[in-house]
Amino acid sequence: EIVLTQSPATLSLSPGEGATLSCRASQSISSYLAWYQQKPGQAPRLLIYDASNRATGFPARFSGSGSGTDFTLTISSLEAEDFAVYYCQQRANWPLTFGGGAKVEIK
Amino acid sequence: QVQLQESGPGLVKPSQTLSLTCTVSGGSISSGSYYWSWIRQPAGKGLEWIGRIYTSGSTNYNPSLKSRVTISVDTSKNQFSLILSSVTAADTAVYYCARGEARSGGSCYLDSWGQGTLVTVSS
Repeated sequence: EIVLTQSPATLSLSPGEGATLSCRASQSISSYLAWYQQKPGQAPRLLIYDASNRATGFPARFSGSGSGTDFTLTISSLEAEDFAVYYCQQRANWPLTFGGGAKVEIK
Repeated sequence: QVQLQESGPGLVKPSQTLSLTCTVSGGSISSGSYYWSWIRQPAGKGLEWIGRIYTSGSTNYNPSLKSRVTISVDTSKNQFSLILSSVTAADTAVYYCARGEARSGGSCYLDSWGQGTLVTVSS
């Protein structure tokens, strides 16, 4: 099974600041990586797929990059609604696996 | 737009069987090329993929749960189901059903999710 390691586990930032979240895979997964956003009491929501493609409904301040084993989710300028937990997920191999999550909290 | 809704008992006794159903609306479960998955999330923790059934009926399970899991589909009701046997307190979690479009190279991302249902394992 492919293990995904996210870092840092928590980011404490202020609105308007930028956020950079990392996801590292235990083996190469090409570009087969997604990011999800989860807010309290809600289901996760697909944010980025195939490493860099933004899903419907998310603004351009969200961007993804990377390939192979190292991936990054960047939020250029945090808005109030962006404070949430973010998970990465790989689809290179079954079983699907998720990273442990990264919480972006208000400083 | 497809919608998914989980249903089933919120409380299951240890050693018994957990059974959940996901009802799909806004589209046919048997059309297109989709994987229908179950995912769970213990309180305050991360996401764990349990398994999936494909439009064709083929299944794939997480090896960590494979001996206890069965996922099936009822196309006449536009539903798919999860059975998890011999549950313990460690199976207490919010259970989600989700849909993923089959992509090149196989597998999927999860683009539509149910709202989740809390299942507690306790006597």
